[in-house]
Amino acid sequence: GAVVSQHPSWVICKSGTSVKIECRSLDFQATTMFWYRQFPKQSLMLMATSNEGSKATYEQGVEKDKFLINHASLTLSTLTVTSAHPEDSSFYICSVDRGRDNEQFFGPGTRLTVL
Amino acid sequence: DAKTTQPPSMDCAEGRAANLPCNHSTISGNEYVYWYRQIHSQGPQYIIHGLKNNETNEMASLIITEDRKSSTLILPHATLRDTAVYYCIVRVAGGATNKLIFGTGTLLAVQP
Repeated sequence: GAVVSQHPSWVICKSGTSVKIECRSLDFQATTMFWYRQFPKQSLMLMATSNEGSKATYEQGVEKDKFLINHASLTLSTLTVTSAHPEDSSFYICSVDRGRDNEQFFGPGTRLTVL
Repeated sequence: DAKTTQPPSMDCAEGRAANLPCNHSTISGNEYVYWYRQIHSQGPQYIIHGLKNNETNEMASLIITEDRKSSTLILPHATLRDTAVYYCIVRVAGGATNKLIFGTGTLLAVQP
């Protein structure tokens, strides 16, 4: 399967600051990547679909101006949480869509804690 | 995409087979069944997928009923490291959006 990395693996920041999370596809050129968010004891929730060279597609209820997504190359997508607040504290996970039948492969996740 | 129903939790003894059921009675003819698992504080891991035939790989077997309304993921010899939340998802492969919509999954606890 595809190898996907995320950086950082965890981050703690103060309320009001912005945080950037990187998602890299290490062995596959991905035109599409996905960003998920997971709160404690809950399932994964799809936030947006990241498309290389074009604007991301956001799921209903996800603020595009707060969660900025950039997919500038076939191996890198970034998620920036702008003006982070404690309620943005969560586990953020990216994935790459590949395979004969579009199996998705996930990164290890980034745990964001906003104080 | 069709909705799936899974039991919230299951126990299995170490070394025994773990059989995880999934109901997808509204599945469409072009929708595949995908299984993922998530070990605590990690990203989900792809396990297996299938359309209508049974499938087997190095991790697990997938048994899909003839009417495709349900399926079972089989871990033949469960180990403690198989303790995780297992998600059954149905969707069209190569669809316009390729989105995966996660339900609540089954928490499999492998007991020593």
